[in-house]
Amino acid sequence: GQNIDQPTEMTATEGAIVQINCTYQTSGFNGLFWYQQHAGEAPTFLSYNVLDGLEEKGRFSSFLSRSKGYSYLLLKELQMKDSASYLCAPSNDYKLSFGAGTTVTVRA
Amino acid sequence: DTEVTQTPKHLVMGMTNKKSLKCEQHMGHRAMYWYKQKAKKPPELMFVYSYEKLSINESVPSRFSPECPNSSLLNLHLHALQPEDSALYLCASSQEGVAGKNEQFFGPGTRLTVL
Repeated sequence: GQNIDQPTEMTATEGAIVQINCTYQTSGFNGLFWYQQHAGEAPTFLSYNVLDGLEEKGRFSSFLSRSKGYSYLLLKELQMKDSASYLCAPSNDYKLSFGAGTTVTVRA
Repeated sequence: DTEVTQTPKHLVMGMTNKKSLKCEQHMGHRAMYWYKQKAKKPPELMFVYSYEKLSINESVPSRFSPECPNSSLLNLHLHALQPEDSALYLCASSQEGVAGKNEQFFGPGTRLTVL
């Protein structure tokens, strides 16, 4: 079965840093995806971690620890447009399983 | 062309209607997916097509019938739906047939309302 846990909501100020944690227990594991979804829009790809460690991509970084079943997404220099839902999605060979999502609200 | 297109954007149908949702991609991707997303919930996988063959059916009721006419097109045929089937239906595609190792590109979705 799949068990994916991430916080429901987070609020931060423009220019700040926010870290979204995700813990997972899944049957079979290849890697972990993070997607961003603005309200009423389709999810868009942010990152994919296969190996342990930190992957940095501009203002967004993602970390994975396979042994701990743990990942986080780090959003730096927050902008108003970063207000969205962030979905943690561990994958096996065949599919992604999405977590419930973390709604991030960025305040001026 | 790096996008997935879906038609129609909105669909309202009665419980006795038959309708179809369409999805198209021209990125040469070999895996295509249907997801269902209810408000404030994550996308739930319904079907996966890999190299034009159905590889995963997540125990979806038979009133939903997928079809993959060719590698660029994916349809979802709807018949005798229930009001609880109202949701956003998302199509996605990925480069290789091994779905879990590849970034998925999502279409904008079809907002379905069943009366």
